[in-house]
Amino acid sequence: GAGVSQTPSNKVTEKGKYVELRCDPISGHTALYWYRQSLGQGPEFLIYFQGTGAADDSGLPNDRFFAVRPEGSVSTLKIQRTERGDSAMYLCASSPSGGGGTQYFGPGTRLTVL
Amino acid sequence: DQQVKQNSPSLSVQEGRISILNCDYTNSMFDYFLWYKKYPAEGPTFLISISSIKDKNEDGRFTVFLNKSAKHLSLHIVPSQPGDSAVYFCAALSSNTGKLIFGQGTTLQVKP
Repeated sequence: GAGVSQTPSNKVTEKGKYVELRCDPISGHTALYWYRQSLGQGPEFLIYFQGTGAADDSGLPNDRFFAVRPEGSVSTLKIQRTERGDSAMYLCASSPSGGGGTQYFGPGTRLTVL
Repeated sequence: DQQVKQNSPSLSVQEGRISILNCDYTNSMFDYFLWYKKYPAEGPTFLISISSIKDKNEDGRFTVFLNKSAKHLSLHIVPSQPGDSAVYFCAALSSNTGKLIFGQGTTLQVKP
């Protein structure tokens, strides 16, 4: 079956602009996660959805970052007033039920803020 | 504070030999550990996992060992193949939070 998909694969924007990154999880997976990976580092947790609700958003760096999952499937990560420091690979993962389940990652969106 | 550490940024081995990748953690609440492999421009691919109630899990050429008293785990790949060349991430989670905590990664190069 289809894995996790993310669009766009690459996004280049200017400082101060608004961006949206989309994640389409594996069908039937109730848990969805967003991570951010900077060069030379491991992925860092941003936010975790169980169904439509954010179960844990403790990793969002500040209030410029927001994510939604209105129907419990596709999720959108939204970044307002982008800064150069937001440049990173944004990864989405899903798992069948959350908790201790294995998380399966998408290919990521490479965000570059000029 | 880095809760999961991979202290070797890189490792180079000869094809056919054993590759051993190491990972240390500090949080005793972690109850599940995973290894992911990542190729450039791709997302991490799940490789193998181990529950904290076990000390070994094997899947083909890949074996993960867990030493809870030392808070240490390792991934053994034998025999190593050139296609195994990638960045390997160790990750840990506590099932009551669900979020993965990753190490910094180790770049493995398997030479033909």
